[in-house]
Amino acid sequence: DTGVSQDPRHKITKRGQNVTFRCDPISEHNRLYWYRQTLGQGPEFLTYFQNEAQLEKSRLLSDRFSAERPKGSFSTLEIQRTEQGDSAMYLCASSWGKETQYFGPGTRLLVL
Amino acid sequence: AQTVTQSQPEMSVQEAETVTLSCTYDTSESDYYLFWYKQPPSRQMILVIRQEAYKQQNATENRFSVNFQKAAKSFSLKISDSQLGDAAMYFCACPSGNTPLVFGKGTRLSVIA
Repeated sequence: DTGVSQDPRHKITKRGQNVTFRCDPISEHNRLYWYRQTLGQGPEFLTYFQNEAQLEKSRLLSDRFSAERPKGSFSTLEIQRTEQGDSAMYLCASSWGKETQYFGPGTRLLVL
Repeated sequence: AQTVTQSQPEMSVQEAETVTLSCTYDTSESDYYLFWYKQPPSRQMILVIRQEAYKQQNATENRFSVNFQKAAKSFSLKISDSQLGDAAMYFCACPSGNTPLVFGKGTRLSVIA
């Protein structure tokens, strides 16, 4: 298994544009998580899925943020109408149930 | 209120020496795991060690061990025989309510040759 992968690794966009990030979890894992990490801080939980069901989304930062996991495999995180404050590292992790979460390399977003 | 508190923003240790990073947490979960993750400058989070809360025995993984005090909600990480490659940010994490994992603000560890 190659671990959790994320694409793209880096994204530069202009304010007001929409961006979408993809995460491919470890294949046998049923849970998938999204976090945001800003410089000098720990990861901040955004949302997570068990299979295709989104179990918690109240921590998504605003209604501009949405996530999907349509077939219970890969997931996408979309940010609409990006703002400069959205610049951060977006991390994805996966796990089997409540077991250890394994993280991907992250997508670094810069909004100009 | 901060769920996970790492009171040491920065620590340093001489190579081959031992260092302890502190963490206190708060959770209403009855059966849970606690985790220490490492994030080197390349920024990929790596699991260091985990502790099952229902186990009294402290977890050990090679040079890494924890001191888990459930009543005090304390979960410190001890690194023995520190190596240059141990230099990184270290994050403590635990579940809280509807949040599967809450992370502390981290401790930046420097290893001095």
